[in-house]
This record gives sequence, structure tokens and C-alpha cells, in this order.
Amino acid sequence: DQQVKQNSPSLSVQEGRISILNCDYTNSMFDYFLWYKKYPAEGPTFLISISSIKDKNEDGRFTVFLNKSAKHLSLHIVPSQPGDSAVYFCAASPPRDDKIIFGKGTRLHILP
Amino acid sequence: DGGITQSPKYLFRKEGQNVTLSCEQNLNHDAMYWYRQDPGQGLRLIYYSQIVNDFQKGDIAEGYSVSREKKESFPLTVTSAQKNPTAFYLCASSIPAGAYNEQFFGPGTRLTVL
Repeated sequence: DQQVKQNSPSLSVQEGRISILNCDYTNSMFDYFLWYKKYPAEGPTFLISISSIKDKNEDGRFTVFLNKSAKHLSLHIVPSQPGDSAVYFCAASPPRDDKIIFGKGTRLHILP
Repeated sequence: DGGITQSPKYLFRKEGQNVTLSCEQNLNHDAMYWYRQDPGQGLRLIYYSQIVNDFQKGDIAEGYSVSREKKESFPLTVTSAQKNPTAFYLCASSIPAGAYNEQFFGPGTRLTVL
């Protein structure tokens, strides 16, 4: 039973345009959400997070939007750059829990 | 220069042999984790430890064992009981729950069982 779902295994976006990665979750108790970026043969690196008390968090080119009623979050990257080509993992955490539940990831290709 | 180190980067073992993967952190984090990544499967939690001398099973603990004798170290042993041990293994750490905290990951170890 997948609690965090990334339904698009891959996404291709032209350089300079906006990349939108989507994530759905099933557990309404999740109160903290994270996005990680991963290059091949490397560990994931933390990108941006959002708590359930907010609906938007922005950090430079990266913005995460949270829609609690739809149990949906999205990561926007604008403008997209070649170095953004990577696998992006959505993750969620219940309250007062050290564990994080990861989605299966979306591979983003930035096209020249 | 704080971080998480995993060694070696690549590891080869014969079928039926136990193998231990190293994970060390100098971030002074209390919690540590082991994940396994397979193609198309995302990150699956094997074991985690919130404090020294204590650890809990994750979603796919069968065929694995861990120890947490020191705060800085959380080695993972892949035993011969693990049916499909070839995978990319990732170690992570975080400060404990109670605040919103992300996990920091090491560079990973790719284990290939021949």
C-alpha cells in the first residue's frame, strides 16, 4: 500500500521552461513533506520542505505547493536548467515520527 | 566538515557470504537509517535507530541485521538469508523528531552479489 505516490516515472522539459513534479499522498496524518534530488550513484540531497500549516514554500528557483484537501503537493522549478536533470523523490512524515515515507521518484530530463 | 560517509562505494561478494556495510556520521545526529534502492522502487527502509543501543525494523528488514554501539556508527550486515541482496544501499541520519527535520544521506554503497 503506497502512502506516497509519484505517478509520473519521467518528465521531459525544455531548458528555461517550468518543470512541475507532482506527488499524492493517502495518509491525512502526514504533517511534513520534503523533496529530494538524486543523481545516479549518489545519495539523495534535500531540496525543499513544507509543513502542513503552510500551502507554499519558496527557495530560489524551487517552490513547493501543498493542497491538503486534495492530499497533493507539487514542486515547481523555474527556470529549468540542465543541472536539474535528476530523479526527484517526494517524501512525507507523520507527526513526531523520525521515519520518512518516500515515493518511487520521477526522473526529470531537461532538454537543450 | 560534517557529513555521512559510507564505505566502500562498490562492493562485490559471492553468494552465501555475509557482508557488512559501513556508515559513519559526524553530524551529532541521534537517528540513523538504512535504505535500499532498486530500479523503479524508490527508497525502502530496512532498519532505523533513534538512539544508541536501540533500533527498529523497517519495511524490508528480513535478511539484514544492524548494530548501534556508538552514536556515530550504524553498520548494516547483509546476511546470506537476504534473497536479492544486489542493490544500492543508502545510509541517512537526522536529529530526532519533535521538530521538522530532514534526513541527510551518505553517498551510498552499491553491493553486487555474484
